[in-house]
Amino acid sequence: DAEITQSPRHKITETGRQVTLACHQTWNHNNMFWYRQDLGHGLRLIHYSYGVQDTNKGEVSDGYSVSRSNTEDLPLTLESAASSQTSVYFCASSDSGGPTDTQYFGPGTRLTVL
Amino acid sequence: DQQVKQNSPSLSVQEGRISILNCDYTNSMFDYFLWYKKYPAEGPTFLISISSIKDKNEDGRFTVFLNKSAKHLSLHIVPSQPGDSAVYFCAATNSGTYKYIFGTGTRLKVLA
Repeated sequence: DAEITQSPRHKITETGRQVTLACHQTWNHNNMFWYRQDLGHGLRLIHYSYGVQDTNKGEVSDGYSVSRSNTEDLPLTLESAASSQTSVYFCASSDSGGPTDTQYFGPGTRLTVL
Repeated sequence: DQQVKQNSPSLSVQEGRISILNCDYTNSMFDYFLWYKKYPAEGPTFLISISSIKDKNEDGRFTVFLNKSAKHLSLHIVPSQPGDSAVYFCAATNSGTYKYIFGTGTRLKVLA
């Protein structure tokens, strides 16, 4: 069955370190998204991509970067981790066959920055 | 500025009764709305959606109502079941952008 996976599921790192969170989908979806979930803020969009080599900033993109070298993967990199980036991160994907294609979410990565 | 608001952080309902979750939005360009359900330690899962050309969409126990003039939507769950206990997020989008703006979520607890 097609799916979307994230790794690692849990990560503890130190302030200033570079961290990369992986997202892999097997639906062959064009669109991929990264969100963070924080209490009181819901899900906020970090970066998104409409296809290979395409990346765009979301509402909370500072300190994060993404690259899209193939259809299946959109890794999220924290260049220099900060305690404010402690959060739960969700990856999602959707098709672009219609204007309102549903986003499907991965299981999440809980990141703690000490 | 929060474009999608869920003003009730939590809601408790007795099993078998109706659960009503509310969501308000400010951007008149939004034309498609969705509800997602999230259990602890899992990703959000799609529940139901509605286009702005409709005012109601029903799927089994779940019904979403849209009041465009009030910029308000609601999710009704009838009858509520203990398995419905979860956090519910509403989301809005402008067709073709594929980007969703999410509310802050409402934690529903259905009491047996």
